[in-house]
Amino acid sequence: KAGVTQTPRYLIKTRGQQVTLSCSPISGHRSVSWYQQTPGQGLQFLFEYFSETQRNKGNFPGRFSGRQFSNSRSEMNVSTLELGDSALYLCASSPWRAGYNEKLFFGSGTQLSVL
Amino acid sequence: DQQVKQNSPSLSVQEGRISILNCDYTNSMFDYFLWYKKYPAEGPTFLISISSIKDKNEDGRFTVFLNKSAKHLSLHIVPSQPGDSAVYFCAASAAGGTSYGKLTFGQGTILTVHP
Repeated sequence: KAGVTQTPRYLIKTRGQQVTLSCSPISGHRSVSWYQQTPGQGLQFLFEYFSETQRNKGNFPGRFSGRQFSNSRSEMNVSTLELGDSALYLCASSPWRAGYNEKLFFGSGTQLSVL
Repeated sequence: DQQVKQNSPSLSVQEGRISILNCDYTNSMFDYFLWYKKYPAEGPTFLISISSIKDKNEDGRFTVFLNKSAKHLSLHIVPSQPGDSAVYFCAASAAGGTSYGKLTFGQGTILTVHP
C-alpha cells in the first residue's frame, strides 16, 4: 500500500505570492490533516478534513486554507506569503478522525521557503 | 498554551544503554498518547502508543509508560542503537472536545546514540 504522498517536495516563493500544496492520503483513509513544523516550534496543527468537511482548525490566520476532495485527496493554500511561513508542511492521513486509538500516518512533507 | 511538553531538548546515550525520553501534558481530556520518530526533512514515523486505560505498552525494544495522576509519560528504548538517533515527539489526542481530530505535539527531544 502506498504511503501518504505530498507534492511538491520543495518550493521557493517570494513574499506576497500564493502557494498550493497537495496531499494524497493512503488508500482507504478518510481523514487528512495538515501540520506546520518550524525550527524550535514542534509540529503545529493547521486543520483536519474528514469526508470533505473541515472538522477542526488550529490557531492560524485566514491566509491558511484547505479543502478535501471526494477521493480524500487534499490541498492546502497559503495566500499573501510572509517570511514566517517558511516551514515544513506535513500532511497526515488516518482511516478515521485522530482520536482514541487512531494514529496518523505522515507524508514526507513540502519544504516551503519564502524569500 | 503548551499542552504537551518535552522539557529535554536533547539526550545523549551510549550504544547498548537505556534511553528514557519524557513528556508531560496538562489537558486531562487527552486519552491517547503516541510517540513518533523523525529524521530531518522527513515526516514523523509512528513508534508506539498507549491508551489512558493502560499504564504500560511494549513493542520490542520500545516501552511507553503512562502515569495519569502525574500527567506524565515516558518512552524507554532498550538497548539503544545508533540508528535510533533522531528527534522523538510525543503527541496526545482525545476522543472528544476540541482536541478530537488532531494530535497535539510536544517540542521534540533530539536523541543521539553514540557507538
